Amino acid sequence: DVKVTQSSRYLVKRTGEKVFLECVQDMDHENMFWYRQDPGLGLRLIYFSYDVKMKEKGDIPEGYSVSREKKERFSLILESASTNQTSMYLCASSLQGALDTQYFGPGTRLTVL
Amino acid sequence: TQLLEQSPQFLSIQEGENLTVYCNSSSVFSSLQWYRQEPGEGPVLLVTVVTGGEVKKLKRLTFQFGDARKDSSLHITAAQPGDTGLYLCAGPSNTGKLIFGQGTTLQVKP
Repeated sequence: DVKVTQSSRYLVKRTGEKVFLECVQDMDHENMFWYRQDPGLGLRLIYFSYDVKMKEKGDIPEGYSVSREKKERFSLILESASTNQTSMYLCASSLQGALDTQYFGPGTRLTVL
Repeated sequence: TQLLEQSPQFLSIQEGENLTVYCNSSSVFSSLQWYRQEPGEGPVLLVTVVTGGEVKKLKRLTFQFGDARKDSSLHITAAQPGDTGLYLCAGPSNTGKLIFGQGTTLQVKP
């Protein structure tokens, strides 16, 4: 079974802090994604990566950056956290691209005070 | 802009009842996926429908893709508390990414 793990289930940070969210998948998938999930808005794509050191902006990249130094690990970085970044963050991976089955981690609920 | 609209947004029913949730768009999609997200977990793929008019069954869940490939429905027969969760439809955008509807939250009371 594909397993996608995220470093924290819950995180509380202060405005202006730099925040790192880590995601690891164990199935050698090429593609990894970061989404944020807000009530009534569904999942919105922040960034995705189709290979090591490669990244592409999703629909809402502002205020975020990503890093993929190893195939199994995809990090989301909030350079200076703001209260409007309080949300649920979901990481996913897929074998053959964005349209293939995506396997999600359990999510990180981030609160920015 | 391609959008997927899901309805209803919330549904609370008693165990044993039947229900249908909808996923609609003004755009044509080559395929649609349905995911279920249980509380505290990430979404899990239930099914992918790819042919207009296609019907797929997964135990008590029946998925249908509209003939024009602009809409899809999920029907649950004799709902059980274990069906509780957020149901999301998703489809490929023109830019090759997956776009999601806003979801239907289903609560099945024992």
